[in-house]
Amino acid sequence: AQKVTQAQTEISVVEKEDVTLDCVYETRDTTYYLFWYKQPPSGELVFLIRRNSFDEQNEISGRYSWNFQKSTSSFNFTITASQVVDSAVYFCALSEAGNNAGNMLTFGGGTRLMVKP
Amino acid sequence: EPEVTQTPSHQVTQMGQEVILRCVPISNHLYFYWYRQILGQKVEFLVSFYNNEISEKSEIFDDQFSVERPDGSNFTLKIRSTKLEDSAMYFCASNEVSGEPPNYGYTFGSGTRLTVV
Repeated sequence: AQKVTQAQTEISVVEKEDVTLDCVYETRDTTYYLFWYKQPPSGELVFLIRRNSFDEQNEISGRYSWNFQKSTSSFNFTITASQVVDSAVYFCALSEAGNNAGNMLTFGGGTRLMVKP
Repeated sequence: EPEVTQTPSHQVTQMGQEVILRCVPISNHLYFYWYRQILGQKVEFLVSFYNNEISEKSEIFDDQFSVERPDGSNFTLKIRSTKLEDSAMYFCASNEVSGEPPNYGYTFGSGTRLTVV
């Protein structure tokens, strides 16, 4: 069975600080996909990144970066120089490929990030 | 950029009434999903739909729920007799799953907030 754990339920930082959101996953599949979504106060789910299990390269997109480590089953998300607009709930999610390419996403419990001016 | 469209954005219904939540997935996507998020909690998988039938469903998706793709473009979730605990945000998603490796174009709609009173 697949499981995603986001141990940090809430993080508060001051603007311009760097912040890392942790995500640990469990799966028995060798092929899987990891995602991060942002949920602002308006409620929609905004796609941030998708990573395949066979691609361990870290990724950087502007102030966002992701560190994927299969050895520790972690897919952590770092925001550099945080801004007030980064305040949101962030969800990590996992999809096992298995035999069904359209498999569901399993979400972690989310981390609420509050960036104070 | 293609979008998943959900209507209505907010629906209030009386306990025991039937509701139908509507979604228009991205046109070339093949997999369709419904997820639920009770206020303040994580996003939970309800059901996936492929080739005009349910491919996977969670234990939440009991006999009170049904899904349909009535006309080749809309994808609906029906709750037959709503309960107070059905109050939640309901997200529709669609997925492309093409290419090698599969290109997971997993896109969520902006959600329908269902309030059962």
